[in-house]
Amino acid sequence: AQKVTQAQTEISVVEKEDVTLDCVYETRDTTYYLFWYKQPPSGELVFLIRRNSFDEQNEISGRYSWNFQKSTSSFNFTITASQVVDSAVYFCALADDSGNTGKLIFGQGTTLQVKP
Amino acid sequence: DTEVTQTPKHLVMGMTNKKSLKCEQHMGHRAMYWYKQKAKKPPELMFVYSYEKLSINESVPSRFSPECPNSSLLNLHLHALQPEDSALYLCASSQVWDRGIPEAFFGQGTRLTVV
Repeated sequence: AQKVTQAQTEISVVEKEDVTLDCVYETRDTTYYLFWYKQPPSGELVFLIRRNSFDEQNEISGRYSWNFQKSTSSFNFTITASQVVDSAVYFCALADDSGNTGKLIFGQGTTLQVKP
Repeated sequence: DTEVTQTPKHLVMGMTNKKSLKCEQHMGHRAMYWYKQKAKKPPELMFVYSYEKLSINESVPSRFSPECPNSSLLNLHLHALQPEDSALYLCASSQVWDRGIPEAFFGQGTRLTVV
């Protein structure tokens, strides 16, 4: 069965601190896709990144970076020099190729609060 | 600004009412989704449409009735809802998954309260 675990329920940091959000996934499939979404208080889920299981290269986009490690089934997300606008709920999600459905399995989410 | 537009943003309805949620996208996507999200929980998939045909119904009660009149529009018809159906209803769209699972783009959601 597929599962995504985000063990950190809430994280609070002071502005300009670096913060890492953890994501551990479970799947029996060899082809799968991992995603991160941000959900601000407005409610919309904002797409941040998509990674397939064959691409373990880490990625950096501005202050955001992602570390994908198949050996530990983890896809962690780091925000460097956090800002108040980063305050949101962050979801890690998994989808596999087997059912051809586009269905996303979400983790429980991590609420990030960045204080000024 | 989101390219997936949902209306209304807020809706309060009685248990005997009939209402509809609307979703529109202009990204040329041929897959559209309805998700339900309760407070402090992750979104849960309800329905998936692919090429305007229903491809997934996640055992959703019949009081929720989806409709995809064309490739840009997705509706969710509501009838005889219960208070526990109060939630944020999110619409999403994506390319179809013939080249792997693509990212989905979400609307801002409709916050539904059933009284």
